[in-house]
Amino acid sequence: QSALTQPASVSGSPGQSITISCTGTSNDVGGVYDFVSWYQQHPGKAPKLMIYAVTNRPSGVSDRFSGSKSGNTASLTISGLQAEDEADYYCSSFTTSSAFYVFGTGTKVTVL
Amino acid sequence: EVQLVESGGGLVQPGGSLRLSCAGSGFTFSSYEMNWVRQAPGKGLEWISYTYNDGTILYADSVKGRFTASRDDAHNSLSLQMNSLRAEDTAVYYCARKRFGTAHFDYWGQGTLVTVSS
Repeated sequence: QSALTQPASVSGSPGQSITISCTGTSNDVGGVYDFVSWYQQHPGKAPKLMIYAVTNRPSGVSDRFSGSKSGNTASLTISGLQAEDEADYYCSSFTTSSAFYVFGTGTKVTVL
Repeated sequence: EVQLVESGGGLVQPGGSLRLSCAGSGFTFSSYEMNWVRQAPGKGLEWISYTYNDGTILYADSVKGRFTASRDDAHNSLSLQMNSLRAEDTAVYYCARKRFGTAHFDYWGQGTLVTVSS
């Protein structure tokens, strides 16, 4: 099972919006279940859930974070970029392959 | 407050064994699916194991036959017995909680580092 494909890096200036893509297949991201989630990870820290079931935000996560999906590609948009958003971001999906769950390759977000 | 605390990491020689533990608190441990996810140094996340209170245990192909996960709901704990360790098993190992019927990990431990090297 290959990892989901994400851009290695995305950058933006404070206040701008950025979008991170996550491309898979019909066995995972594009499957019938909306089981795509996104995680934020600061250096040396554990991942933190930011988006689940494609579009849902856990309690306490800023509404500047939003998720969407079209076909085999999911996206995470961060609006009103802030310095604290600088981190690595990983998508994840349930997969019907033997891997059960698959993560993306990760995207480093830099706030210029 | 939900807490997951891993322990047991360390340096082990190739071919050796190590047992990791994860202690849960602040929630009804038995009601949740517990998972192990690892992250090699400078690399991405990799799901490696899932356990549920119905006895279901699943593994990634990369660890199948070498790693054994188990849980003790009476003591709110999750374990990972790792045998025949390889250099490529070097990683930070996280335990992560998942609610039944969902596909996201809503709480993670802080991780424990396993280094496989001679």
